[in-house]
Amino acid sequence: DIQLTQSPSSLSASIGDRVTITCRASQSIGDYLNWYQQKPGKAPKVLIHAASNLHSGVPSRFSGSGSGTDFTLTINSLEPEDFATYFCQQFYSPSPYTFGQGTKLEIK
Amino acid sequence: QVHLQESGPGLVKPSETLSLSCSVSGYSISSGSYWGWIRQSPEKGLEWIGNVFQSGSTVYNPSLRGRITISVDTSTNQFSLALKSVTAADTAVYFCVKEGAVVDNYFDPWGPGTLVTVSS
Repeated sequence: DIQLTQSPSSLSASIGDRVTITCRASQSIGDYLNWYQQKPGKAPKVLIHAASNLHSGVPSRFSGSGSGTDFTLTINSLEPEDFATYFCQQFYSPSPYTFGQGTKLEIK
Repeated sequence: QVHLQESGPGLVKPSETLSLSCSVSGYSISSGSYWGWIRQSPEKGLEWIGNVFQSGSTVYNPSLRGRITISVDTSTNQFSLALKSVTAADTAVYFCVKEGAVVDNYFDPWGPGTLVTVSS
């Protein structure tokens, strides 16, 4: 299985801050990586697909970059609704698709 | 707009079979696409279980292969998950999802999820 390691596991930030979450793959996966946001009691929602493509309807303060084994999700100018848990997920190998362990973004 | 909704028992006894269905609205399963199941637990995080194509072909997570069956019913626009010989480790929130194209595959949308507890 392809392992995805996110860092940090948790993060405290303030409204208006810029934050970066990283995801490292155990082998090269090209740009076959997605990012999701999950709020308590809800299903995850896709933010970024194929490493850097902003999903329809997602605010432009979210951006993704990277390829190979190292990827980042950046949120510019945090809004109150951005405090949530973020996951990366690879679709390079479907046997199986795997997720990172999550990064919980909390308000400082 | 595509909507998915899981249904099934919230409590399953150990060694029995967990059975869930996912109703799809706003999109005909017969039109194509892959349809998947994902589960989430505090212990394992998010775990992809497997998927099914409209034709009925499937891909399963090797860690669960042998215990799972995912099937599709185009006449009712539903797809289903059966997980046999369950243990407490199978307790999780189960989500059904629509998968994207192979070269740009992301899970969207998701059903709201259903909690399944394995307990006697």
